[in-house]
Amino acid sequence: NAGVTQTPKFQVLKTGQSMTLQCAQDMNHEYMSWYRQDPGMGLRLIHYSVGAGITDQGEVPNGYNVSRSTTEDFPLRLLSAAPSQTSVYFCASSSPGTEGNTIYFGEGSWLTVV
Amino acid sequence: QQQVKQSPQSLIVQKGGIPIINCAYENTAFDYFPWYQQFPGKGPALLIAIRPDVSEKKEGRFTISFNKSAKQFSLHIMDSQPGDSATYFCAAANSGSARQLTFGSGTQLTVLP
Repeated sequence: NAGVTQTPKFQVLKTGQSMTLQCAQDMNHEYMSWYRQDPGMGLRLIHYSVGAGITDQGEVPNGYNVSRSTTEDFPLRLLSAAPSQTSVYFCASSSPGTEGNTIYFGEGSWLTVV
Repeated sequence: QQQVKQSPQSLIVQKGGIPIINCAYENTAFDYFPWYQQFPGKGPALLIAIRPDVSEKKEGRFTISFNKSAKQFSLHIMDSQPGDSATYFCAAANSGSARQLTFGSGTQLTVLP
């Protein structure tokens, strides 16, 4: 039972480069979201999706794009990486029908922008 | 604007002690208050959650106390063990908003053997 799978685990980018963080879930969850975690700031919501074809911005969306073409996948794109995007990124999924409405997190993607 | 304030930032207790972590929220629309536990190199994992219609919830050694009028909630860990050493995050959500969590800043707990 894979749950929420994120790739890559670690990535180093140069300023201005682009890349995509992949997220896939095998629980048929409707809701998926991306958070970033920075020291002393907890996790902050970047973008979220309530279903295939539907996305919306969270608290810190600038510099990131998302799309949701399937229920399973929710990639996060950095179009032109900046040092301020150095962070740990977590993908999460949940379903309104999930008992206790549990939100499940992936294991994270460590991104360094130099 | 930090909608969920968490304290303390770090906490050290002896084995068997009862660490207490406190959170306060501002948005009265929040109606779901989970606590997450995170070990180094891992994603957050749900520990326990409460809704505002109850004042306390226990699951094993973990207890949430909730004060709706004060807009505060806290996590108590009974008989703490070294294996409880982790970072703990409180969070809040409006269940009408697709369960997008607003997190506190985290508390790094160390339980000494």
